[in-house]
Amino acid sequence: NAGVMQNPRHLVRRRGQEARLRCSPMKGHSHVYWYRQLPEEGLKFMVYLQKENIIDESGMPKERFSAEFPKEGPSILRIQQVVRGDSAAYFCASSPKSGGWETQYFGPGTRLLVL
Amino acid sequence: GESVGLHLPTLSVQEGDNSIINCAYSNSASDYFIWYKQESGKGPQFIIDIRSNMDKRQGQRVTVLLNKTVKHLSLQIAATQPGDSAVYFCAGRAGTSYGKLTFGQGTILTVHP
Repeated sequence: NAGVMQNPRHLVRRRGQEARLRCSPMKGHSHVYWYRQLPEEGLKFMVYLQKENIIDESGMPKERFSAEFPKEGPSILRIQQVVRGDSAAYFCASSPKSGGWETQYFGPGTRLLVL
Repeated sequence: GESVGLHLPTLSVQEGDNSIINCAYSNSASDYFIWYKQESGKGPQFIIDIRSNMDKRQGQRVTVLLNKTVKHLSLQIAATQPGDSAVYFCAGRAGTSYGKLTFGQGTILTVHP
C-alpha cells in the first residue's frame, strides 16, 4: 500500500540548468498537488492537476515553471533555467478526488539545491 | 487575502504532559482544516482534520477544536511523547479553492524525556 512517491529525493543543479521533479500519486488517486517549502517556512501551494488537466495554477511563478500530469506516468514539475532562489523542498500530494472533504496525502519531497 | 498563521513558533513540554498548538486563520470562507506533522527531512504527515460544520473532533491522543467566531483552531496532544517532537502545521482550504491548502508557518514541538 505505497504512499505518494517522489523522485529524486535530492537534486543538485547549477544555475541555468533544468530540474525535473517526479511524483507518483497514491494508488487510486487522480488528483495531484505541488507545494514548495522554503527553510523555516510553511508549504506554499503551486499547482493542482488532474489527469491531463491543470485545474489551478495560481501559485506557479509566471516564468520557468511548468507542471503536467499525463494520462500515463507520473506528474512532472519542471523548472527551466534554475536560479539559486529555486532552492527549496518541493512536495507533492495526492487525493482520490477533490471538492468535498478530501485529505491531501504528501510524499517525502524533493530537495532541490541550486549552486 | 487568505492566510493561516500560528501564534507560537516553539513549544517545549515534558513527556507525559498535554500539548496545545494554536492556529489562526483570516479567511472566513475556509471550510476545511487539517493538522499535519512534519519530521525533519520528511513530508507532512496527516494527523487529523475538521470541517467547518464541526467544532471538535477527536482522534487517538489528539483533539482538534475549531472556533469559527474568532477564526481559531487548536491541536491538543494528550500524554505527549518524545516521538511527537516535530513541526506541526495547520492548513486551511477555502470552499472556492478545492485544491489549494494554505499552510501556517508551523510550530516546533519539543518533548523532553
